[in-house]
Amino acid sequence: AQSVTQPDIHITVSEGASLELRCNYSYGATPYLFWYVQSPGQGLQLLLKYFSGDTLVQGIKGFEAEFKRSQSSFNLRKPSVHWSDAAEYFCAVGADNNAGNMLTFGGGTRLMVKP
Amino acid sequence: DAGITQSPRHKVTETGTPVTLRCHQTENHRYMYWYRQDPGHGLRLIHYSYGVKDTDKGEVSDGYSVSRSKTEDFLLTLESATSSQTSVYFCAIRALAGRLNEQFFGPGTRLTVL
Repeated sequence: AQSVTQPDIHITVSEGASLELRCNYSYGATPYLFWYVQSPGQGLQLLLKYFSGDTLVQGIKGFEAEFKRSQSSFNLRKPSVHWSDAAEYFCAVGADNNAGNMLTFGGGTRLMVKP
Repeated sequence: DAGITQSPRHKVTETGTPVTLRCHQTENHRYMYWYRQDPGHGLRLIHYSYGVKDTDKGEVSDGYSVSRSKTEDFLLTLESATSSQTSVYFCAIRALAGRLNEQFFGPGTRLTVL
């Protein structure tokens, strides 16, 4: 069964500082990996996705993520955080050969941004 | 915006009462999903549908049933609500070929069971 771990429940960074959110997955085959962001009281918005090819993927809002197969990781990064980035971030894994094409989500990381 | 709406957006109910949540989509997507979101657990799949009248269970399906009588609507029913079902419920659709496995989410329904 596939699983996702986001080791950091809460992270606080200063505005303008760099950010890295960790995501580790467990899946037997090549996974499809996603990062979603959820602002307070809102639904989930897709930030970026990895299916195949270049292991460094660019997303919206200046985010990027790197797929490292050897480490089973898909960490999310941003070079300079803005106050509007304060939100909860979810990593998810899926595959095209599981019934229903289901996604499995991590528990989330809540990002707070200090002025 | 994947044309997904959920109703109601908020609901407070009492233990033991039946509750039905509705997910409506306007883009003819085949796959639809119901998740619940709880602190520390992320989103967990309750049920999904892969076509009209075709549904299957997810990770946390106990106490929930679903129905899909037409493509655009996917209903989630709590036959007898319990306090443990207090949660935020999200509906999602899977986008068509070319964006394999990419899911888009509705705005959510906050359900409180007293």
